[in-house]
Amino acid sequence: DAGVIQSPRHEVTEMGQEVTLRCKPISGHNSLFWYRQTMMRGLELLIYFNNNVPIDDSGMPEDRFSAKMPNASFSTLKIQPSEPRDSAVYFCASSFGQEGSPLHFGNGTRLTVT
Amino acid sequence: GQQVMQIPQYQHVQEGEDFTTYCNSSTTLSNIQWYKQRPGGHPVFLIQLVKSGEVKKQKRLTFQFGEAKKNSSLHITATQTTDVGTYFCAGNTGNQFYFGTGTSLTVIP
Repeated sequence: DAGVIQSPRHEVTEMGQEVTLRCKPISGHNSLFWYRQTMMRGLELLIYFNNNVPIDDSGMPEDRFSAKMPNASFSTLKIQPSEPRDSAVYFCASSFGQEGSPLHFGNGTRLTVT
Repeated sequence: GQQVMQIPQYQHVQEGEDFTTYCNSSTTLSNIQWYKQRPGGHPVFLIQLVKSGEVKKQKRLTFQFGEAKKNSSLHITATQTTDVGTYFCAGNTGNQFYFGTGTSLTVIP
């Protein structure tokens, strides 16, 4: 079981640049979640997909953030343009089955925007 | 909106002492889950509680779900250095998970 795979593990970029974070959920899982973690705000849900369809994106901070899930095995979170306040650890998580099933988190992407 | 509060934010204990973290939701939950995040790591699922008043144990860890399904606790008996990390509760309604603010546990050898 490879678990949830995220890339890159670390990303350092300059303000204004586009950032793309990638996630491969566990095979067979039908829900995928993007979270952001900071010291100040803790774990925040950005968006989640069910069967590749975005269900709730109310946590997406603003139009600079977008997420896609073109198929069951891949999702991206894009920030364009990036800002220093976007610096955080971004986690992808997946789950299988009925609503409320446990989340399996990836190792996260630590994003630093200078 | 939905809020899940967790206390305390930080806890330092001497190895061998007990530890408890509490979680409170502003609304009734379908279930509650607990996760542990080691320093530099990612949250790892520990357990899920579904029934009102449910109590579950995992070795030295005891989890409780309140009768009103709005609060929960995690108690660790005789802490060990391997217990270090941040413990999060996550209240669930539908497919929405509302993570608590977490309790960071430090165990002093």
